[in-house]
Amino acid sequence: DAGITQSPRYKITETGRQVTLMCHQTWSHSYMFWYRQDLGHGLRLIYYSAAADITDKGEVPDGYVVSRSKTENFPLTLESATRSQTSVYFCASGTMNGGYTFGSGTRLTVV
Amino acid sequence: ELKVEQNPLFLSMQEGKNYTIYCNYSTTSDRLYWYRQDPGKSLESLFVLLSNGAEKQEGRLMASLDTKARLSTLHITAAVHDLSATYFCAFMNYGGSQGNLIFGKGTKLSVKP
Repeated sequence: DAGITQSPRYKITETGRQVTLMCHQTWSHSYMFWYRQDLGHGLRLIYYSAAADITDKGEVPDGYVVSRSKTENFPLTLESATRSQTSVYFCASGTMNGGYTFGSGTRLTVV
Repeated sequence: ELKVEQNPLFLSMQEGKNYTIYCNYSTTSDRLYWYRQDPGKSLESLFVLLSNGAEKQEGRLMASLDTKARLSTLHITAAVHDLSATYFCAFMNYGGSQGNLIFGKGTKLSVKP
């Protein structure tokens, strides 16, 4: 299916575990982003990437790792999950001129 | 500091009325994006504004961009209940090694009969 897909949609994990959130887009967009959305904070940028093998930190990168070996995939890994990382995570892809499309989100709960 | 200020953050309005949401951003940018989010859902792209003076309209919503003032507005004409949602603006920041998208905190709009 064409578009941008995130998996899983919902995830419950324990403190200290490693978790990977997946993001896949079928348009070959160069830009991809990871955001977290929390009440009172809006959308905060975690990591972003302008192309395969090029990534950069956003506003709140601590505790997260990304990779982008292929243009279409941009996984986000929480190395050792903490309760403060309970959030809704959105992935987005697009171009500067065409705009950016968001995935449906992953609701992560760390217990 | 990179930031986007939207105001108001909460807006309750009656059907049929007009209102404007303001989006001020902190650094030079020629690209501004508006999104809509319904509760529990993802963000839906509304407008992409690519230059100073750009204006776009879709139904009862019109967005404009003034890059010199670092200001974008989202004007709502004759509001209807279906427009109730949270609206976000975001600008393309060219700082650092590559562009990135910085969001405001959102304006929660409630349209009442």
